Amino acid sequence: RKEVEQDPGPFNVPEGATVAFNCTYSNSASQSFFWYRQDCRKEPKLLMSVYSSGNEDGRFTAQLNRASQYISLLIRDSKLSDSATYLCVVNLGGYNKLIFGAGTRLAVHP
Amino acid sequence: GAVVSQHPSRVICKSGTSVKIECRSLDFQATTMFWYRQFPKKSLMLMATSNEGSKATYEQGVEKDKFLINHASLTLSTLTVTSAHPEDSSFYICSAPYAKRLYTEAFFGQGTRLTVV
Repeated sequence: RKEVEQDPGPFNVPEGATVAFNCTYSNSASQSFFWYRQDCRKEPKLLMSVYSSGNEDGRFTAQLNRASQYISLLIRDSKLSDSATYLCVVNLGGYNKLIFGAGTRLAVHP
Repeated sequence: GAVVSQHPSRVICKSGTSVKIECRSLDFQATTMFWYRQFPKKSLMLMATSNEGSKATYEQGVEKDKFLINHASLTLSTLTVTSAHPEDSSFYICSAPYAKRLYTEAFFGQGTRLTVV
């Protein structure tokens, strides 16, 4: 079983749509969780960290369920500029070794 | 925010030659850096953890003699792909952790696209 699993997509949605990405992780000792965004042929960049209480940043909402080892990202009012690959990332702690999911590709069209 | 610089951004080399990739933390010190490889349309795969002043820790299946890592200072880690072959062609990217108030964020270099011909 992969350490971090995501639905690879692609998700093709119209502008203004709401889209949700899910992610599961296998290591119950995982300490922190993130969503990164990666544009084509670029390095990943942090979108947001994910807290147990859930957190929101503008149109983006992240949730964590430690009991189910499940992380989600909700994007509301999708923009064309949201088109990218969204990576679910788990930090196993210690030396901050990040484990990446395969990524979910989002394509927002007019 | 913290800046990680990776060089070169793109390299084409002949089969059998070696290629060195540099990863620098420009405005912070990093005792640990990480090297990843990404094939087209695939996820980033952790190759190794680079430790300043000591040996790198390699992930299972990664040949340490093939991918030499040196972390001689607190701001520089290098990855050398030795005797490169076409199957080593990939996107190589480094990251360094930077401690913020509530969490540690990973900052990435710009990546190196290696093509072995």
